[in-house]
Amino acid sequence: DVKVTQSSRYLVKRTGEKVFLECVQDMDHENMFWYRQDPGLGLRLIYFSYDVKMKEKGDIPEGYSVSREKKERFSLILESASTNQTSMYLCASRAGGPSYEQYFGPGTRLTVT
Amino acid sequence: SQQGEEDPQALSIQEGENATMNCSYKTSINNLQWYRQNSGRGLVHLILIRSNEREKHSGRLRVTLDTSKKSSSLLITASRAADTASYFCATDGAGNNRKLIWGLGTSLAVNP
Repeated sequence: DVKVTQSSRYLVKRTGEKVFLECVQDMDHENMFWYRQDPGLGLRLIYFSYDVKMKEKGDIPEGYSVSREKKERFSLILESASTNQTSMYLCASRAGGPSYEQYFGPGTRLTVT
Repeated sequence: SQQGEEDPQALSIQEGENATMNCSYKTSINNLQWYRQNSGRGLVHLILIRSNEREKHSGRLRVTLDTSKKSSSLLITASRAADTASYFCATDGAGNNRKLIWGLGTSLAVNP
């Protein structure tokens, strides 16, 4: 059974803290994605990675960075958390090619106070 | 950027009725996908329809695609309370084999 796991379901951090969100997939997928989801705004792509050590900015990369040192793991980093980064964060992975579905993790609900 | 736009934004029906959701998009696509999200959880893939297909079925789901109108519809027949969820369409643009472009979703409530 395919699986994407995220390190935390719920996380509470203080403004200014450095935050690490981890995502691991066990499907040997080339592509991995980080989204944030906010009411009324849908899913917005923050960053994605199509290979180890490769990354591309999505639609809203400001305030975030990513790391992909191993194929199965894709980390999202909030360098200095702010209250406007309070959101649901979803990780997904996908095999290569244009006709494959994305597999999602359960999400991390991050609250920055 | 959001390409897909689902219609309606919210839908409330009784168990046993059919639910129809629509999705419109703006640019050429390789395929269009539908996903379901139960409250507070990750998304689950439902069905993918390629740009050269017009209709596809999976269990109680029927998806149509009209590339001339740049639109798709998702029909759920004989709905159940367990179908209560948000439904999203996502397009996989021609020439772009990595990113999906997401709509804002339709929130479906199926009342027992």
